[in-house]
Amino acid sequence: GQQLNQSPQSMFIQEGEDVSMNCTSSSIFNTWLWYKQDPGEGPVLLIALYKAGELTSNGRLTAQFGITRKDSFLNISASIPSDVGIYFCAGFNYGGSQGNLIFGKGTKLSVKP
Amino acid sequence: DADVTQTPRNRITKTGKRIMLECSQTKGHDRMYWYRQDPGLGLRLIYYSFDVKDINKGEISDGYSVSRQAQAKFSLSLESAIPNQTALYFCATSDRGANGYTFGSGTRLTVV
Repeated sequence: GQQLNQSPQSMFIQEGEDVSMNCTSSSIFNTWLWYKQDPGEGPVLLIALYKAGELTSNGRLTAQFGITRKDSFLNISASIPSDVGIYFCAGFNYGGSQGNLIFGKGTKLSVKP
Repeated sequence: DADVTQTPRNRITKTGKRIMLECSQTKGHDRMYWYRQDPGLGLRLIYYSFDVKDINKGEISDGYSVSRQAQAKFSLSLESAIPNQTALYFCATSDRGANGYTFGSGTRLTVV
């Protein structure tokens, strides 16, 4: 089945630093999404991308849908302690074999005050 | 009230016991899902249902079964729990689009 390769697996950064993580796939997706999971909670949608090349921001977060439709990245600027959590990329194809989200394995972010 | 409610939030059970995890939603969505989360492995799909009469196996359905009792209710059962089923389990609902997924807060299951 389709698999997403998400990197890095974990990051330890200082408050105020910028963060970058990415996701690649061997196959094409029509939609890329980025989720954040706070400790003890379920994932929550941060950003959804619908077109190749699209660049979308949500506050300090910026995500891009790769031109090849096989990758996406997420940047967080000026990190703060509440950015701690696990970030997941997800790919989706309308009318795909299951019509379901395919998730990356996550990037665990730790922020040192 | 939460849009997606999972019960119980935490459960410890013994090997060989039958256990049911329940999920209910108030989003009015037709589609419901059960995922399992293990450290470093992300979210893996166990079962999904696109409407009340539709049940489909996901990536890791062995050892699990589901029941869609109503549009708003989707339960996951472990017929005979084993220790490697210790994990965090999430229920989710969605409309037909990609950004309509809403997750519950999870059930932490420990099989001893």
